[in-house]
Amino acid sequence: GAVVSQHPSRVICKSGTSVKIECRSLDFQATTMFWYRQFPKKSLMLMATSNEGSKATYEQGVEKDKFLINHASLTLSTLTVTSAHPEDSSFYICSVRGARETQYFGPGTRLLVL
Amino acid sequence: LAKTTQPISMDSYEGQEVNITCSHNNIATNDYITWYQQFPSQGPRFIIQGYKTKVTNEVASLFIPADRKSSTLSLPRVSLSDTAVYYCLVGDNGNEKLTFGTGTRLTIIP
Repeated sequence: GAVVSQHPSRVICKSGTSVKIECRSLDFQATTMFWYRQFPKKSLMLMATSNEGSKATYEQGVEKDKFLINHASLTLSTLTVTSAHPEDSSFYICSVRGARETQYFGPGTRLLVL
Repeated sequence: LAKTTQPISMDSYEGQEVNITCSHNNIATNDYITWYQQFPSQGPRFIIQGYKTKVTNEVASLFIPADRKSSTLSLPRVSLSDTAVYYCLVGDNGNEKLTFGTGTRLTIIP
């Protein structure tokens, strides 16, 4: 399967600042990537579908102006949490679409907003 | 959207075989069934995928009955390192999105 990395693995920021999270597909050209968030002891929730060279598709209830997604190349998608607040603290995970509805996930990024 | 239902949690002793069953009554004809494993503070990891009957790989087996309305993940001779959350997912009738259910929190007891 595809190898996916995320950077940073952990980030702490002050309320009101913006944080960028990178998702890289290391060995696979990904036209489609996905972004999830996961709260403690909860399941993954899909935030948006990132499409290379076009606008992301956001799930209902996800603010597109707050969670900016850029998928400028076949190996990189970025998620920027703008004007972060403590309630944005979460575990953010990206994935790459593989064959037969399979997705390959990154290791995740832990965001803590103080 | 094919919804899945799994037990919330399961406990098992080391060395035993563990079977986790998932219900997906509304699975579409062209949907695959995929199982993922997730450890704390890590992204999910692909375990196994199947369409019908039985699939086996080096870590697990997947049993799917003819009606495909359920599937069972079988983990042979579990160890403490198998303690994790296991998610059963089915496709969305060709839609590339995956919807995660609650998953099954498996705890292996020494």
